Amino acid sequence: SQTIHQWPATLVQPVGSPLSLECTVEGTSNPNLYWYRQAAGRGLQLLFYSVGIGQISSEVPQNLSASRPQDRQFILSSKKLLLSDSGFYLCAWSGDVSNQPQHFGDGTRLSIL
Amino acid sequence: KNQVEQSPQSLIILEGKNCTLQCNYTVSPFSNLRWYKQDTGRGPVSLTIMTFSENTKSNGRYTATLDADTKQSSLHITASQLSDSASYICVVSRFNAGNMLTFGGGTRLMVKP
Repeated sequence: SQTIHQWPATLVQPVGSPLSLECTVEGTSNPNLYWYRQAAGRGLQLLFYSVGIGQISSEVPQNLSASRPQDRQFILSSKKLLLSDSGFYLCAWSGDVSNQPQHFGDGTRLSIL
Repeated sequence: KNQVEQSPQSLIILEGKNCTLQCNYTVSPFSNLRWYKQDTGRGPVSLTIMTFSENTKSNGRYTATLDADTKQSSLHITASQLSDSASYICVVSRFNAGNMLTFGGGTRLMVKP
């Protein structure tokens, strides 16, 4: 069966520090991969999605970036974190067919001090 | 503008009671509508997916309905349990937009003993 792993579960970082969040999927090949941010009491906001290795689409301009160095690995990065980057970051994967559900990891709660 | 609105924002019910959560959307062209359950601090988990031609779909004590003409959906929870306490998120997918989703802000349900 397929599983998705995100780490770390929680992270506290100072303003201006770099960021690297990792997401890996097991049990499937060539998944679509997604990074979302969820602010408290708000809906999920799509940040990046990828349909293949090295293919990244950005939905919202910001100081975050994403990379997909391997088929089942998706990384969210920043060179310099801002206070506004605090939030709950979720990685998800789906198959290629539009009626398939997206499967979410358990998220990373990022607090910027 | 493609939007998904959910009501109520929060709801408290007693264990064993039924409840109904509402979702209205303006996403067009419509492909499918999903309901997710999100426990606090965890990623969302898919409950149901309904396409244009489906009016109702059940998953255990959860029953989702869809009226594609009025662009409304509901999620009915029968005989609530304490473990039903979570946020319930309505999500709509646009036709020909791959697996890109528009998320509602969720309804936070609390089931009390």
